[in-house]
Amino acid sequence: GQNIDQPTEMTATEGAIVQINCTYQTSGFNGLFWYQQHAGEAPTFLSYNVLDGLEEKGRFSSFLSRSKGYSYLLLKELQMKDSASYLCAVHNTDKLIFGTGTRLQVFP
Amino acid sequence: GAVVSQHPSRVICKSGTSVKIECRSLDFQATTMFWYRQFPKQSLMLMATSNEGSKATYEQGVEKDKFLINHASLTLSTLTVTSAHPEDSSFYICSAPSISSAYSYNEQFFGPGTRLTVL
Repeated sequence: GQNIDQPTEMTATEGAIVQINCTYQTSGFNGLFWYQQHAGEAPTFLSYNVLDGLEEKGRFSSFLSRSKGYSYLLLKELQMKDSASYLCAVHNTDKLIFGTGTRLQVFP
Repeated sequence: GAVVSQHPSRVICKSGTSVKIECRSLDFQATTMFWYRQFPKQSLMLMATSNEGSKATYEQGVEKDKFLINHASLTLSTLTVTSAHPEDSSFYICSAPSISSAYSYNEQFFGPGTRLTVL
C-alpha cells in the first residue's frame, strides 16, 4: 500500500523556525512535492525534491532522503500568514499521492 | 504558471440530484487531469485520473458509476456526482500536469476547487 505520514498539527511562534516531517512508503517514487493550502483554497506549490539533499527557496527549504523515505519542510522567520496546512506528496508515475497533511498555527 | 479553472466554485443541491463540475486548463492542453476529494481537516484523496479520449482510471474504492468522468477535449474534464447524498458533501479539486521548464517535471496545477453541499 501507500503510506505517507505527517504530524497532524503543529504550533509555532511568529519569527521562529519550524520543521514539518514527512515519511513515506510508496510503490514508486519520482519525486516529492510540498504544497501549502489555506482553508477552502487549492494547494499552492512550495518545493520539489527528486535527489537527496536540501533545496532552499527563500524562507522555505525542503530536504529529502530517499534511502530513509523521509522528507522535511523547514520554514524560517515564521509569519502569521504561514498559518495553513502543509501537504507532502509523492510523485508516483503520473500520480500525486498526498500525505495526511499538517495544520500549522502560528501565534504572535 | 499554467492556469486551471473550475466551475462552479460552490454548489448546494438536494439529495438524489446530480451535479456536474467542470475543470478547464486555460492556457495549455492537458491529456490527463486528476480529480481529488478533500473532507474537512483531511488531506487530498485522489479519486480518478481523467484521460482525454478514453475511459477514466479510478482509484480503489471509488465508484465509477457514481462519479462519472468525461474528458472530451484537451482542455476540459467534467466530474458528475450522480444521485448525490449528504456523505458526498466535500471539496472537489482537479489538477492538470504541465511540463515545468524550470524543473523539467510534470508540475501539477490545481483548480480553485468546488465546494459541494448535499442537503
